[in-house]
Amino acid sequence: EAQVTQNPRYLITVTGKKLTVTCSQNMNHEYMSWYRQDPGLGLRQIYYSMNVEVTDKGDVPEGYKVSRKEKRNFPLILESPSPNQTSLYFCASSSLAFGTGSSVQYFGPGTRLTVL
Amino acid sequence: EDQVTQSPEALRLQEGESSSLNCSYTVSGLRGLFWYRQDPGKGPEFLFTLYSAGEEKEKERLKATLTKKESFLHITAPKPEDSATYLCAVHHLSGSARQLTFGSGTQLTVLP
Repeated sequence: EAQVTQNPRYLITVTGKKLTVTCSQNMNHEYMSWYRQDPGLGLRQIYYSMNVEVTDKGDVPEGYKVSRKEKRNFPLILESPSPNQTSLYFCASSSLAFGTGSSVQYFGPGTRLTVL
Repeated sequence: EDQVTQSPEALRLQEGESSSLNCSYTVSGLRGLFWYRQDPGKGPEFLFTLYSAGEEKEKERLKATLTKKESFLHITAPKPEDSATYLCAVHHLSGSARQLTFGSGTQLTVLP
C-alpha cells in the first residue's frame, strides 16, 4: 500500500530537549516536505527536499532542521524545542513532476507535538 | 505577497442543501491549484488538481472549477459523511523555490 508514515504520532516533551520526528514514504518519490498546521493559520511549509542531499527552506524554517540521506526518509529535527513549536506536523511526498498530472502531494497521518 | 484565502471559514448545511466553497489566490507563477479534504486528526486527502482557467473536475458530489483569480468547490446534495475541512492549496514558483501555499480551510458540517 502506497503511504507516508510518521513517528511518533503523539509527543509531549519539555523545552530544550532535542527530538526527531521521522517520515518515510514507499512510493519512490523525489519530493518530500514538512508542514505545520496551527488553528487559523492553515498548513505552512517548514522545509522541503527535491531529492537526496537537496533540501531548502519553506515559509517557517526557524528552529527546525532536516536531512535527506535516503530517498525514502526525511526526518524533522528540533534541536532545542520551544513552546511556540507546539503544533500538528505533517510530512508529505510527491513525484518530482510537481505541477503536472502526476504531482499530487500525499500526506502522512500527522504528529501532534506539545512542548512544555 | 503570495496569498490564498478561503471562505467561508465554516459552513453548516442540511443534508441535500447544495452550496459552494471559495478559494481566492494572489500568487505569481501559478502552476496548479489543489483541493484536499481533511478529517479531524488525519492528514489531508487529495481531491482535485486544476491547472488552467476554465478547467473543471468532478468526483461524486464534488465539482471543482478554476478561474484566473479563484476556485470554487461545489457540493451538490451533500451527505453527513461529506463533513470535513476542505483545504485549497496553490502550487506556484516563488523566486527559485517551488512552494505549495495553503489556505486556512473551510470547515463543512452537513446535518442529517
